[in-house]
Amino acid sequence: KAGVTQTPRYLIKTRGQQVTLSCSPISGHRSVSWYQQTPGQGLQFLFEYFSETQRNKGNFPGRFSGRQFSNSRSEMNVSTLELGDSALYLCASSLVTSGDTQYFGPGTRLTVL
Amino acid sequence: KQEVTQIPAALSVPEGENLVLNCSFTDSAIYNLQWFRQDPGKGLTSLLLIQSSQREQTSGRLNASLDKSSGRSTLYIAASQPGDSATYLCAVTGNTPLVFGKGTRLSVIA
Repeated sequence: KAGVTQTPRYLIKTRGQQVTLSCSPISGHRSVSWYQQTPGQGLQFLFEYFSETQRNKGNFPGRFSGRQFSNSRSEMNVSTLELGDSALYLCASSLVTSGDTQYFGPGTRLTVL
Repeated sequence: KQEVTQIPAALSVPEGENLVLNCSFTDSAIYNLQWFRQDPGKGLTSLLLIQSSQREQTSGRLNASLDKSSGRSTLYIAASQPGDSATYLCAVTGNTPLVFGKGTRLSVIA
């Protein structure tokens, strides 16, 4: 069974631009969660989607948004990029809830210049 | 607000040694606790998941215990190998999605 895939793997953007990251969960998994990982803050929860509905949202500004499609694939968007948005963005999928075993993708490394 | 702490932040051991990584959490109302491994620049690999009703889980050379009442979990690694070198993270889920500790960076020296 294929694992969680994330595209692109690396991105370089400049301040003020926007970016869209994509995540394809493991087949059959309906819950997708997004996390931001930085050296200073560690791993922080962004949002969780289940059946195209946002089930939970972390403490991030409205510039961070996401969505889930009917095939469970998910995208997250960051608008008006800031230098502090430079991070590894990780997507995780699980069967039903984030309380089930989570399987992580390799991440997208975003660098904002 | 749930907070997860991992001690030590870094650990270096010679190959073959048994070792224990510690994780503590402030709110004992959790559904489960998960241990993950992260290699540099990579995503997370799930190692063990312990439900709140369980006391421990084992997988190969790994054994994780959970004491919910005291807010503690340990990950025991037997007969460590250089390939075990990575950052180990614990995370709990309760009324909120996963809350992670900052990890323990383990180096196993051949």
